[in-house]
Amino acid sequence: KQEVTQIPAALSVPEGENLVLNCSFTDSAIYNLQWFRQDPGKGLTSLLLIQSSQREQTSGRLNASLDKSSGRSTLYIAASQPGDSATYLCAVTRAGKSTFGDGTTLTVKP
Amino acid sequence: KAGVTQTPRYLIKTRGQQVTLSCSPISGHRSVSWYQQTPGQGLQFLFEYFSETQRNKGNFPGRFSGRQFSNSRSEMNVSTLELGDSALYLCASSLTVQETQYFGPGTRLLVL
Repeated sequence: KQEVTQIPAALSVPEGENLVLNCSFTDSAIYNLQWFRQDPGKGLTSLLLIQSSQREQTSGRLNASLDKSSGRSTLYIAASQPGDSATYLCAVTRAGKSTFGDGTTLTVKP
Repeated sequence: KAGVTQTPRYLIKTRGQQVTLSCSPISGHRSVSWYQQTPGQGLQFLFEYFSETQRNKGNFPGRFSGRQFSNSRSEMNVSTLELGDSALYLCASSLTVQETQYFGPGTRLLVL
């Protein structure tokens, strides 16, 4: 059974800091790994998708890496801004089923 | 392109009733998945449909069912509602299971 763990559960940083969010999974037989952002009371917004054959993806200030052999992914956020405050979730997908971590709640203080 | 839409956005029901939630995927997307999100359990997979066929199902009781129509729109039904069914129900669509999942805003269900 796939299990996804995200560390830390919560993170508070001052504006402008670079930060790393971690995601680990137990079964490396995945199709892809996706990072999402969720604002309170809202749905999920896709940030980055990494296919199982890829090592990283970048979008603007975001960079996500994937190491399937060790069952780990990281989401790097450069020059954080107060608007980045949200819960960040990672999900691994295999055979049409996605398993989510519990998320990291990020607060960026002005 | 319009995003994933879900209706209704909010719903209040009483125990024992049944409810039907609707999801319209992004045009051209054939895979639709449903998830339940609660504070205690997080996001849990309910089921996934592709071309009108349920291909995967999560660990939920038979009270939870779904279907997908030929236009890829999907419905989820919960019968004999329980208090614990109160949750945010999210629908996601993608071209195939290996492509990016796009989520709708969700339907917030409150069971009294």
